[in-house]
This record gives sequence, structure tokens and C-alpha cells, in this order.
Amino acid sequence: EAEVAQSPRYKITEKSQAVAFWCDPISGHATLYWYRQILGQGPELLVQFQDESVVDDSQLPKDRFSAERLKGVDSTLKIQPAELGDSAMYLCASSIKGGPTDTQYFGPGTRLTVL
Amino acid sequence: AQSVAQPEDQVNVAEGNPLTVKCTYSVSGNPYLFWYVQYPNRGLQFLLKYITGDNLVKGSYGFEAEFNKSQTSFHLKKPSALVSDSALYFCAWQGDNQGGKLIFGQGTELSVKP
Repeated sequence: EAEVAQSPRYKITEKSQAVAFWCDPISGHATLYWYRQILGQGPELLVQFQDESVVDDSQLPKDRFSAERLKGVDSTLKIQPAELGDSAMYLCASSIKGGPTDTQYFGPGTRLTVL
Repeated sequence: AQSVAQPEDQVNVAEGNPLTVKCTYSVSGNPYLFWYVQYPNRGLQFLLKYITGDNLVKGSYGFEAEFNKSQTSFHLKKPSALVSDSALYFCAWQGDNQGGKLIFGQGTELSVKP
């Protein structure tokens, strides 16, 4: 069964350092999502791609976060500089076409700890 | 504001007993509703979804959910709980005009004791 791949699984960094997370969606899925899950809460969308285009980044803190999906396949989420409040699980998901009834499939996530 | 609520932070049941994890919604437009499960330090696994049609939706691992429009609820159920069902469960909503974004509840921790 095809799965969404993410790396690294765990990342520990110091405040003000740069970090990057990678996601490889299920093959053939046009839509890719990055969610952030703070401990004890549900995930919240950071950015959504349709192929290589950003369709929703309204909740992405653009002063320090950036995301790209250059060839419309895999994606990278970057934080620079990291802050203590960025400690969270970062989840990547993909779906076939991104419609309102489309099922999203999640990767295992990257657990970020900022010291 | 569109929202999904899970009124119980934690649900405890004995193995073999039926389980219910509650979800209510307050949204405009069509309520496309989903249930996901999350095991410790893992991503979310899709269980089931309601789009339209039959109010009783059957999903993975023996779970089912009942859509109730009059009570604006979408409770997750299983007739006989297993210890391995212990996990964090999330209800989520996806709207017509949300571009695919899922709005999640805060999650309910299910604990099944032998």
C-alpha cells in the first residue's frame, strides 16, 4: 500500500537555527498539505499545494516559514529561524485532487523540538 | 465560525464493551465529515468519512459512524472494543469552499482496558 513519506522523523534544534522537513506524497496525488500539530491539539493547515502551486498559505507564518514543491511531486518545509513555540509535530498529507470530499492520507510526521 | 467539537478529552472503556467517541459540528454548507486515528508519535490514519447518502458509515477496523443532521453530530462507534483501539481519535470537517482544508476537533483519547 502506497504511503506518504516524511523525513526526518525527529529533529532537535536550538532556537534561531534553520530546520527543513521533507515530504514525498503518494504517487499520482496532485494535492499536498503541510499541517502543524501542537501537543494536545488537532492539526492545523499551514500550506496547501495543487501540483506546484500554492493554493492556501493563509496560516503560514511567512516571516520565518517557507514551503516549496518545485516539480509538483515532493515538498520541503523550512523554518528559519526556529523559535521555542515552533516545537510541534509537522504532518504532511496528500490527496488525489484536493476536492471537498477527497480523502487525505497522512505521513508519519516530523517531531520538532526547539531548545 | 466553522468548527468541530469533541466534548470528551478522554473516554475509558473495558475490552469487549461497545465504545462511542463523540463529535459535533457547527458548519454552513454540506458537512463532509471524517474520522482519523493517531497512535503515539505517528501520523493520522483515515478511518471513515461521510459525504452523502446513508447516515451510517462503515470504516476500517470495525469502526462505524452515524451522521445525525438534527443533532449536528457524527459519533464514532464500535460494537466491541479492543485494547489495541487505544489511541487518539480526531473528528474533522471539510467544507465546500475550504479548498480541501480539514478542520479538526481537539481530539479524544480512547483508553481500552483489559
